[in-house]
Amino acid sequence: NAGVTQTPKFQVLKTGQSMTLQCAQDMNHNSMYWYRQDPGMGLRLIYYSASEGTTDKGEVPNGYNVSRLNKREFSLRLESAAPSQTSVYFCASSAPDATNEKLFFGSGTQLSVL
Amino acid sequence: AQRVTQPEKLLSVFKGAPVELKCNYSYSGSPELFWYVQYSRQRLQLLLRHISRESIKGFTADLNKGETSFHLKKPFAQEEDSAMYYCALMSGGYQKVTFGIGTKLQVIP
Repeated sequence: NAGVTQTPKFQVLKTGQSMTLQCAQDMNHNSMYWYRQDPGMGLRLIYYSASEGTTDKGEVPNGYNVSRLNKREFSLRLESAAPSQTSVYFCASSAPDATNEKLFFGSGTQLSVL
Repeated sequence: AQRVTQPEKLLSVFKGAPVELKCNYSYSGSPELFWYVQYSRQRLQLLLRHISRESIKGFTADLNKGETSFHLKKPFAQEEDSAMYYCALMSGGYQKVTFGIGTKLQVIP
């Protein structure tokens, strides 16, 4: 039981390049999330998916797209990377059980855009 | 709009000293509040939540609606408590979780 798995752990891009961050969870969770973490800003929600087949914008969605491929996987795509997207990205999932609500996080992806 | 404020980016205490990590929030409804912790080279994980009224690793946090605070406390700091601590507020489901900027706790031996 790996929990939430993110790949890659590190990535360096040039401005304008594209890439996809992958996330998978093996806990049968309905909801999945992408956050970015920046110094002095905390964690900010980029996109979330309440269930398979649905996605919604969070606080900072501009420059990103997401795909909820199936119940397990939720990917984040940067179509044309910008230096402002240099950040640490976290994927998370949450259980549908209201008695045990909490977010389970991946280990993060450190992205640098030059 | 909901907001979470953690006024200290860094808090340094000596081993055995009391710890208080401050968290204030603004929200018009009834919030659910959490503390998440990230130890070095580990992933972010839930430490405790106010509805559970539990003590985890010696830490407690009481929701004070009058002062809109949810401070995290521990009577005697240990070196293994050194980590990054995030206060979080949830409303209307997990898509509306707002995190504070985090406080780095450094316990000095």
